[in-house]
Amino acid sequence: AQTIHQWPVAEIKAVGSPLSLGCTIKGKSSPNLYWYWQATGGTLQQLFYSITVGQVESVVQLNLSASRPKDDQFILSTEKLLLSHSGFYLCAWSPGLGGREQYFGPGTRLTVL
Amino acid sequence: GQQVQQSPASLVLQEGENAELQCNFSTSLNSMQWFYQRPGGSLVSLFYNPSGTKQSGRLTSTTVIKERRSSLHISSSQTTDSGTYLCAMERRNNNAPRFGAGTKLTVKP
Repeated sequence: AQTIHQWPVAEIKAVGSPLSLGCTIKGKSSPNLYWYWQATGGTLQQLFYSITVGQVESVVQLNLSASRPKDDQFILSTEKLLLSHSGFYLCAWSPGLGGREQYFGPGTRLTVL
Repeated sequence: GQQVQQSPASLVLQEGENAELQCNFSTSLNSMQWFYQRPGGSLVSLFYNPSGTKQSGRLTSTTVIKERRSSLHISSSQTTDSGTYLCAMERRNNNAPRFGAGTKLTVKP
């Protein structure tokens, strides 16, 4: 069975500080990976997707970056946090591009002060 | 414009009543998925239903592509059904599924 793990569970950070959020998928080779963000009270938006190691496509510009250093790992980061980065970050995977069911991780709650 | 519209935005029921949640989309559909979002934010996948009807217990999802709509029916609602329900559609030739704003369901005892 596939499992998806996100870390940390929650983070409180200062404006201007760096950030790194992680996501790992076990039990599935070559998954498609996605990062989503949801502002408090807002709609879930996809930020990035990746279909293979080393390749990441940006969907929404939020002064964040993403990387896929390994087949089973997806990293979301920034060097300088903004207040607007606060929210809930979800990682997801699917078995293939286009028209496939997505499976979500437990999420990371980020508060920027 | 808004490509995925969910209605109603909120719904209050008495326990035992049925609920009908709608998701309308404005472009060609490649896939449709329904989720329950827990109060903490995590998602529970209810249905992956790009077309037709699927049922699981008291929940039924129906997607009619040519009418550009999908619905989630909850029969004999329970207080534990309370929460936010989200639909997400994926367009053809597009890798960024779009979520609706959600329906907040409250079931009173």
